[in-house]
Amino acid sequence: DAKTTQPTSMDCAEGRAANLPCNHSTISGNEYVYWYRQIHSQGPQYIIHGLKNNETNEMASLIITEDRKSSTLILPHATLRDTAVYYCIVRPLTGNQFYFGTGTSLTVIP
Amino acid sequence: GAVVSQHPSWVICKSGTSVKIECRSLDFQATTMFWYRQFPKQSLMLMATSNEGSKATYEQGVEKDKFLINHASLTLSTLTVTSAHPEDSSFYICSARPRDASSGNTIYFGEGSWLTVV
Repeated sequence: DAKTTQPTSMDCAEGRAANLPCNHSTISGNEYVYWYRQIHSQGPQYIIHGLKNNETNEMASLIITEDRKSSTLILPHATLRDTAVYYCIVRPLTGNQFYFGTGTSLTVIP
Repeated sequence: GAVVSQHPSWVICKSGTSVKIECRSLDFQATTMFWYRQFPKQSLMLMATSNEGSKATYEQGVEKDKFLINHASLTLSTLTVTSAHPEDSSFYICSARPRDASSGNTIYFGEGSWLTVV
């Protein structure tokens, strides 16, 4: 079962930062936060994951609150190609299944 | 790296026939592969988890005799939809977890396969 809550949809202006929130208030100490995105009619694409420290890679930054009950995915300069459904998933590092919630549909507007 | 390929990308089959979808990890070995189904405008629903060389574990409500999963090698898993019906029409997506744990237990997804049963 998905243990995350995300807004259903968001808009972002092209070139601006897109900040996608995720609530995971019941997260356990050994559970990581993963972010994936799914562009229409394609398989999900891995973006980033983290445990408690903020993480950054070439695609995005992940900010996790100190109590770990929520996190924010940041796309620093959104482009039209970033329009997709973004999924936040929590799971243990040694866990098996990945359960998807409903995700956030991000639309980047020209 | 971490490329997962599915074949076919789309398939149309007649009601009552069976169809097989392949999932391959191209540049890594996968101890575990997952199969998902996604209906239009809905999220991904996990169907089953397969470990190489053992029987798949099915999620509640998924018929194991209808959705046959074989994971015979560390780079290949297959999903066979048996006696397909129009309601089985969906987007089927596989994913794989690398045997190498340095990826942080991340899983990687295939491109998906569209199944239409007529």
